[in-house]
Amino acid sequence: SQTIHQWPATLVQPVGSPLSLECTVEGTSNPNLYWYRQAAGRGLQLLFYSVGIGQISSEVPQNLSASRPQDRQFILSSKKLLLSDSGFYLCAWSTLSGVNYEQYFGPGTRLTVT
Amino acid sequence: SQQGEEDPQALSIQEGENATMNCSYKTSINNLQWYRQNSGRGLVHLILIRSNEREKHSGRLRVTLDTSKKSSSLLITASRAADTASYFCATDALTSGSRLTFGEGTQLTVNP
Repeated sequence: SQTIHQWPATLVQPVGSPLSLECTVEGTSNPNLYWYRQAAGRGLQLLFYSVGIGQISSEVPQNLSASRPQDRQFILSSKKLLLSDSGFYLCAWSTLSGVNYEQYFGPGTRLTVT
Repeated sequence: SQQGEEDPQALSIQEGENATMNCSYKTSINNLQWYRQNSGRGLVHLILIRSNEREKHSGRLRVTLDTSKKSSSLLITASRAADTASYFCATDALTSGSRLTFGEGTQLTVNP
């Protein structure tokens, strides 16, 4: 069965510090991968998605970046965090083929920038 | 911009009652999906309805889709305290490729 991992679960970082969040998927090959951010009490904002190794599409201009060094690994990074980067970050995957694109989510990382 | 908008933003009911949540969207879609999120957790897929379907059932869940009105509803029958969560609709627009656009969600509270 497929499993998606995200870590860490919670993170407190000072303004200006770097960030690296990692997401890995098991039990599937060639997945679409997604990074979302969720503000408290709000919906999900798509940040990045990837349809293959090294292929990253950015949805919103910001000081975050994403990389996909391996088929089932998706990394969200920042060189210098801003207060506005605080939020709940969710990684998700979906199958590459087909038209339904049901997404499966990881447990999330709650980031607080102080 | 957000494609889906849920209504109401918050809903509080008693156990055993039915809960209805609505979602409106703006552009033509391939399908519409409903997800559930328990507080502080990831989202869980509940049900998907294709653009050529009008109604779908899964256990205590019933989803309807009206493409002429660009709206969908999620009905949870005989609610339980464990149904307390946020519920989100997500649309797979015709031009979006493999991306989903999520609404702001409805916070459902089921009181025992």
